[in-house]
Amino acid sequence: EPEVTQTPSHQVTQMGQEVILRCVPISNHLYFYWYRQILGQKVEFLVSFYNNEISEKSEIFDDQFSVERPDGSNFTLKIRSTKLEDSAMYFCASSVMGINQPQHFGDGTRLSIL
Amino acid sequence: AQSVTQLDSHVSVSEGTPVLLRCNYSSSYSPSLFWYVQHPNKGLQLLLKYTSAATLVKGINGFEAEFKKSETSFHLTKPSAHMSDAAEYFCVVTTTGYGGSQGNLIFGKGTKLSVKP
Repeated sequence: EPEVTQTPSHQVTQMGQEVILRCVPISNHLYFYWYRQILGQKVEFLVSFYNNEISEKSEIFDDQFSVERPDGSNFTLKIRSTKLEDSAMYFCASSVMGINQPQHFGDGTRLSIL
Repeated sequence: AQSVTQLDSHVSVSEGTPVLLRCNYSSSYSPSLFWYVQHPNKGLQLLLKYTSAATLVKGINGFEAEFKKSETSFHLTKPSAHMSDAAEYFCVVTTTGYGGSQGNLIFGKGTKLSVKP
């Protein structure tokens, strides 16, 4: 069964550094998402992406964050200048269509900011 | 605004006994509801979904959930727990049609299920 894959599984970065989290969505899916889960807290929506542009973003997704689909397969989340509070598990998800369709999640990238 | 409330942060059952994980939702629109499971160090796996078809929804691994509009509930059940069911379970509502949203997911806080031998 096709899977969403995320790399790396664990990223350790110094505060203030840029980090790029990578995701390969399921190949025939059209909608892409990023979520994060701070340790002990809820999974929170960050951003959705469709047709090569952001379709929706949450308040968390400020100017430090950006997403890109640089080629036909990858979907990346960039944090420009990391802060301690960015430490979390980041999940990528994709779905065939956006509304009403289940989203398929990757195993996540654990981001640790030192 | 849409939200979900998972009433128990932790549920412990014995192997072979029934499982009940409770979820209540709040939605101004006809909701789409999901249950996801997360095993340790793994991603979120879809268990089942409700999208305004049959109110009793069957999912994978013997789980099912019943949508009850009058009670705004979507509780997850399984007749007989297995050791491999130990995981964290998330009740999720989608923001379908709300303010033009494209369907991002709103998660409950999760219920950790422990299964004793």
